[in-house]
Amino acid sequence: DTEVTQTPKHLVMGMTNKKSLKCEQHMGHRAMYWYKQKAKKPPELMFVYSYEKLSINESVPSRFSPECPNSSLLNLHLHALQPEDSALYLCASLQGFTGELFFGEGSRLTVL
Amino acid sequence: GQQLNQSPQSMFIQEGEDVSMNCTSSSIFNTWLWYKQDPGEGPVLLIALYKAGELTSNGRLTAQFGITRKDSFLNISASIPSDVGIYFCAGQATTSGTYKYIFGTGTRLKVLA
Repeated sequence: DTEVTQTPKHLVMGMTNKKSLKCEQHMGHRAMYWYKQKAKKPPELMFVYSYEKLSINESVPSRFSPECPNSSLLNLHLHALQPEDSALYLCASLQGFTGELFFGEGSRLTVL
Repeated sequence: GQQLNQSPQSMFIQEGEDVSMNCTSSSIFNTWLWYKQDPGEGPVLLIALYKAGELTSNGRLTAQFGITRKDSFLNISASIPSDVGIYFCAGQATTSGTYKYIFGTGTRLKVLA
């Protein structure tokens, strides 16, 4: 089972809203990732959590706030976003022994 | 920052033809992953490569880890319509003990039946 589950699949929000994206995996993986993908572009790394601690932040604006409540869950809190933040947000988890990175289906975010 | 260039950027091929694409970097990577992504979906892992010169197959797909560790190649044999999609390579470097995967620019494959 290599399943990473992301919710919601689609999200529309205004620039003053606060919302969250959620990601869950039950494969026992200890590293989880957030990527942002714009149309026709490759995924761009945002954050990495390793053993529930933030280990990489790719200079992401503070209006994106990641959280890792436990080793199976990863959240991305969104506040005061801009229309240019509209994108597909992808969560991934790392099988540490093989180095294989497994992605969820993504959350399509539209900021109005 | 690091950048991975994939070529070709896009290609149209006839069903049944073989396809080749590659990924090159100015940096050395420890692991290469190859993904396929359909519109609106997340990338699906196809093949993982771990050692320079390694050749690995997954059905009609064959990938190779370049001997310089700066490049990787993916071949698809006897293409079928469901091979349509975007193929990404991803190279793994280690930052502060954490695996960091950088994605290539992608190759968009279109198969003509």
